[in-house]
Amino acid sequence: AQSVAQPEDQVNVAEGNPLTVKCTYSVSGNPYLFWYVQYPNRGLQFLLKYITGDNLVKGSYGFEAEFNKSQTSFHLKKPSALVSDSALYFCAVRDMYDYKLSFGAGTTVTVRA
Amino acid sequence: NAGVTQTPKFQVLKTGQSMTLQCAQDMNHNSMYWYRQDPGMGLRLIYYSASEGTTDKGEVPNGYNVSRLNKREFSLRLESAAPSQTSVYFCASSLQGYTEAFFGQGTRLTVV
Repeated sequence: AQSVAQPEDQVNVAEGNPLTVKCTYSVSGNPYLFWYVQYPNRGLQFLLKYITGDNLVKGSYGFEAEFNKSQTSFHLKKPSALVSDSALYFCAVRDMYDYKLSFGAGTTVTVRA
Repeated sequence: NAGVTQTPKFQVLKTGQSMTLQCAQDMNHNSMYWYRQDPGMGLRLIYYSASEGTTDKGEVPNGYNVSRLNKREFSLRLESAAPSQTSVYFCASSLQGYTEAFFGQGTRLTVV
């Protein structure tokens, strides 16, 4: 069975500081990994994905994520957070041999001015 | 640019009533999904359809049924609604297993 863990319910940072949102996963085979963001009363928006290749993936709005196979992690990062980055962030995983897409519980990010 | 369209956006049901949530995508995607979102629990997969003609159970299928009517449409049916099914429901679709999923705007369902 595949699963995703986001160990922090909330992350609070000051504007201009680095932002990190943690994610660890478990799959039987090789993972496809995704990050999504959700703003209040909206659907989910895709940020970035790791399929294969370079472990550092760059995505939308200045976000990036690092795939670490040995630690089964895929942490989301942004060097300098903005107030507008305040939202709910979800990590998701799919096993390359399955079509099932599983999500973590989400991390609420609050960036204070 | 419709993307993934869900209807209705809001619904209130009485316990025991039935209803069908509709989802349609216009991106020629192969795979479609139904999730429910509850506070503190993230998105939980109810059912998914890897391709037209196939459906599979996800993590929380009890109390639900689905139909992949054609490549575009994937409906979710509640046969006898229960208060525990009060949630926000999202439909999503993706082209291939390694491509990102696109989400609809959600259906907020309340069962009283």
